[in-house]
Amino acid sequence: DTAVSQTPKYLVTQMGNDKSIKCEQNLGHDTMYWYKQDSKKFLKIMFSYNNKELIINETVPNRFSPKSPDKAHLNLHINSLELGDSAVYFCASTPSAGADETQYFGPGTRLLVL
Amino acid sequence: LAKTTQPISMDSYEGQEVNITCSHNNIATNDYITWYQQFPSQGPRFIIQGYKTKVTNEVASLFIPADRKSSTLSLPRVSLSDTAVYYCLVGDILRGGSARQLTFGSGTQLTVLP
Repeated sequence: DTAVSQTPKYLVTQMGNDKSIKCEQNLGHDTMYWYKQDSKKFLKIMFSYNNKELIINETVPNRFSPKSPDKAHLNLHINSLELGDSAVYFCASTPSAGADETQYFGPGTRLLVL
Repeated sequence: LAKTTQPISMDSYEGQEVNITCSHNNIATNDYITWYQQFPSQGPRFIIQGYKTKVTNEVASLFIPADRKSSTLSLPRVSLSDTAVYYCLVGDILRGGSARQLTFGSGTQLTVLP
């Protein structure tokens, strides 16, 4: 029943590892996003896909690579994890890529890099 | 690039009206203004959206002056359960082409006291 779901909810890993976070939405939306929220609660957009096509790619390290196998899924793969990657990562979706679209957020994935 | 500025925190008492202002001096013509609410360990949740003048829904009002360089979220008669972080979001995504950045404010921690 969850509209936007993320797995895992918590992720604890060592520096240098590679990890993936998965996101799925069952709302039939065309557009999906990844956000990073740091310890100071700043929410910063990282990527956005519309119908599996990348439309926003902010200045993030190329260790972060989004993958959209279909428009209901947007996964985030992170290579060579660093301490500074520790944060909460939120997935979101909107019906389309319009300016007035309401974003529906997932519950977040709390990543801790040791 | 529309940068947003909000107060870091606000306190209020139950039953009072709360007004939270967000400054966005560089807002662009196509940008909408959206406010989100975030409880601990949850993703942000849509509250209200506007482009200009005043918008009201069942939970809040949004006041936007003619120059659109700021916006004020008004919560009538707050209760303890309104304690949360409130974010303003300014931005636009262009369909099928180059994308603009979505910029969240730094968030305002509202604490409602009994």
